[in-house]
Amino acid sequence: TQLLEQSPQFLSIQEGENLTVYCNSSSVFSSLQWYRQEPGEGPVLLVTVVTGGEVKKLKRLTFQFGDARKDSSLHITAAQPGDTGLYLCVGTSGTYKYIFGTGTRLKVLA
Amino acid sequence: DVKVTQSSRYLVKRTGEKVFLECVQDMDHENMFWYRQDPGLGLRLIYFSYDVKMKEKGDIPEGYSVSREKKERFSLILESASTNQTSMYLCASSLSLPGYGYTFGSGTRLTVV
Repeated sequence: TQLLEQSPQFLSIQEGENLTVYCNSSSVFSSLQWYRQEPGEGPVLLVTVVTGGEVKKLKRLTFQFGDARKDSSLHITAAQPGDTGLYLCVGTSGTYKYIFGTGTRLKVLA
Repeated sequence: DVKVTQSSRYLVKRTGEKVFLECVQDMDHENMFWYRQDPGLGLRLIYFSYDVKMKEKGDIPEGYSVSREKKERFSLILESASTNQTSMYLCASSLSLPGYGYTFGSGTRLTVV
């Protein structure tokens, strides 16, 4: 069974701080996605990474796919209250097989 | 703006009722999915469909059925609702490309009393 473990599970930080969320597996994925879900809403796709070692930036968010395509990280610089939400990593292998991570709940305090 | 629309944001149903959750997408996506999301358990796949009239069981199909008569619409049916089906239900769609991201609906919070 493929599993995606995220750490930390919960994170509460002050506005302006930096943070990193990790997503780890023993399995290799063909691609990995990150989503953010706000309370009462569905997850929204932030980024997809497909190549081992790939780094993508989305404003203050930096995503990295591990060289072996088994893990990923999300780094947020100078967090803002609008970054608050549940962050989910999703590993894919094939067209229909999506493995959801356990989630990281982030709260950024003003 | 492309979207996945779920018919209800909140539903309260009685035990034993037949419940229909509707999902419509306007992106011409081939694939559609139904998940439920519960605290501590994350998102779990109930059913998915990769084409009209096609369906595949996910990880937790028991107590549910689905219908996909048109490409844009995917319905989740709770044949006889039970209290352990109280949950947030999320519909999603995607193209049939490996690794293509999901577009999710806003979810339906179902309470079975």
